[in-house]
Amino acid sequence: AQSVAQPEDQVNVAEGNPLTVKCTYSVSGNPYLFWYVQYPNRGLQFLLKYITGDNLVKGSYGFEAEFNKSQTSFHLKKPSALVSDSALYFCAVRDTGTASKLTFGTGTRLQVTL
Amino acid sequence: GAGVSQSPRYKVAKRGQDVALRCDPISGHVSLFWYQQALGQGPEFLTYFQNEAQLDKSGLPSDRFFAERPEGSVSTLKIQRTQQEDSAVYLCASSFGHSNTGELFFGEGSRLTVL
Repeated sequence: AQSVAQPEDQVNVAEGNPLTVKCTYSVSGNPYLFWYVQYPNRGLQFLLKYITGDNLVKGSYGFEAEFNKSQTSFHLKKPSALVSDSALYFCAVRDTGTASKLTFGTGTRLQVTL
Repeated sequence: GAGVSQSPRYKVAKRGQDVALRCDPISGHVSLFWYQQALGQGPEFLTYFQNEAQLDKSGLPSDRFFAERPEGSVSTLKIQRTQQEDSAVYLCASSFGHSNTGELFFGEGSRLTVL
């Protein structure tokens, strides 16, 4: 079975400060990892993914994430937060050894204030 | 179309009514997924199609839920005899191939409210 944990329901950060949204995963094989963002009354938008190779993955809107196999983590980061980054963020995982189902975490609400 | 299109965007049903939710994926996308997102929760997998074949329906919560994709493009999720616990946003997503590495492209969802 595959699963994702997002331990923080909400993260608060001031604009211009760095942000981190945490994610840990569990799979039986090797993971494919994804981050999505959801704005109010909108569908999920893809931000970035880790498949293989460099552990640091860069994605849309200046976001990046670091894959850490020993800690089974895939934390989302951004060096300088913007108020417009305020949204709901979801981490998701697929096990490379199974079919195409993508399993999502419960989400972390990011609030960026002036 | 440019993106995944879902209709209706909002549906209010009385308990016991049947509903049908439509998904029009991105043209040429082989894989299609349905997810259920309850308020304040992450999306929960319902079912997966590769072209017209339903390869995984392990997430459908009961036999009241049925999905089809008869021609390998448009898909319909049908819920029979709706119950209040069916109230949620139903998300459709598609991806180009059937590889596990591809990201999913989501529609804006159909919000179902069962009274």
